[in-house]
Amino acid sequence: NAGVTQTPKFQVLKTGQSMTLQCAQDMNHNSMYWYRQDPGMGLRLIYYSASEGTTDKGEVPNGYNVSRLNKREFSLRLESAAPSQTSVYFCASSGGYNNQPQHFGDGTRLSIL
Amino acid sequence: KQEVTQIPAALSVPEGENLVLNCSFTDSAIYNLQWFRQDPGKGLTSLLLIQSSQREQTSGRLNASLDKSSGRSTLYIAASQPGDSATYLCAVHTSGTYKYIFGTGTRLKVLA
Repeated sequence: NAGVTQTPKFQVLKTGQSMTLQCAQDMNHNSMYWYRQDPGMGLRLIYYSASEGTTDKGEVPNGYNVSRLNKREFSLRLESAAPSQTSVYFCASSGGYNNQPQHFGDGTRLSIL
Repeated sequence: KQEVTQIPAALSVPEGENLVLNCSFTDSAIYNLQWFRQDPGKGLTSLLLIQSSQREQTSGRLNASLDKSSGRSTLYIAASQPGDSATYLCAVHTSGTYKYIFGTGTRLKVLA
């Protein structure tokens, strides 16, 4: 019953450092998503991948890159971390185009000093 | 552009009370609307998904309704319990996109 697995769970970075957040799902879902959650702003979509081999920008893509490595894995990379990227990051997946619920991972809590 | 609003932002009720959480959205062209629960420091747990052609969905003490024409959904919780304390979020899947737009949530506290 793994569902959506995110690693790491916590991370502290210094400004300018880079890192990659990992996400994997074992539900054979086509679509995968990266969100950030900030106090008072709800969840905002960073990038999504409708299917293996495709990625598209969401509401707040600046400063991030993604890779859909295969059907199971979708990674989010911060090339040069900034304090404004301090947030909780959630990965989600869903089965397809419509009427498919989203399933979420437990999140990565990222602090950038 | 789809916008999703949840009112109230926070709610405290005594145990046993029936309560209603509200979600409104600006674009009625949707595939579905999903309600989630989020406990502090945790991820989102899916509660109910209502397809655009449906009027309501039920799961245990939870009942979610959808009025697409007026851009509204409600989550009804019967006989609330302290264990229901959490933040409840709604998310709308807009037609023609793969995107889900989230409200900012209602933080519920059920007092024993």
